[in-house]
Amino acid sequence: AQSVTQLGSHVSVSEGALVLLRCNYSSSVPPYLFWYVQYPNQGLQLLLKYTTGATLVKGINGFEAEFKKSETSFHLTKPSAHMSDAAEYFCAVGDNQGGKLIFGQGTELSVKP
Amino acid sequence: KAGVTQTPRYLIKTRGQQVTLSCSPISGHRSVSWYQQTPGQGLQFLFEYFSETQRNKGNFPGRFSGRQFSNSRSEMNVSTLELGDSALYLCASSPMTGVRDEKLFFGSGTQLSVL
Repeated sequence: AQSVTQLGSHVSVSEGALVLLRCNYSSSVPPYLFWYVQYPNQGLQLLLKYTTGATLVKGINGFEAEFKKSETSFHLTKPSAHMSDAAEYFCAVGDNQGGKLIFGQGTELSVKP
Repeated sequence: KAGVTQTPRYLIKTRGQQVTLSCSPISGHRSVSWYQQTPGQGLQFLFEYFSETQRNKGNFPGRFSGRQFSNSRSEMNVSTLELGDSALYLCASSPMTGVRDEKLFFGSGTQLSVL
């Protein structure tokens, strides 16, 4: 069975500070991993995804994530937080057979001025 | 290109009633999946439809059902509503099914409140 665990349901950073959102996965097959963002009253939007190849994945809005197989992690980072980054972030793993995402519980990011 | 459209945006129902939610995928997308989002359980997969056939189903009771039409539009139905069915229901579309790294495009959701 596949699963995703996001460490920290709430993360608060100051504007301009580093953003680090943690995600660990469990998968019996090589995982396909995703980060989605949800702004208030909106659906989810893909930030980035890891399939195979380069372990450092760059996404939209300056976010990136590093796949570490030895640590079963896929943490999301951004060097400098912006007020507009305040949202909920979801890590997900693609189901073995496709057609389905298994999501973590989400991390709400707050950015203080 | 228009995004994924879900209607209605908000719904208020009472226990025991039934409800139908609608989702229009992005033009050309043939896969539609549904997710339930609640504060306690997070995002949970309900089911996926492709070419009018249910391809995958999550762990929800039979009160939750869906269907897909020949134009790829999808509806989900919840019968005999319970208070615990209050949630944001999200629809997502993608071009194909069975692709593990497929990007999903989400609608803004239907917020269902059961009183």
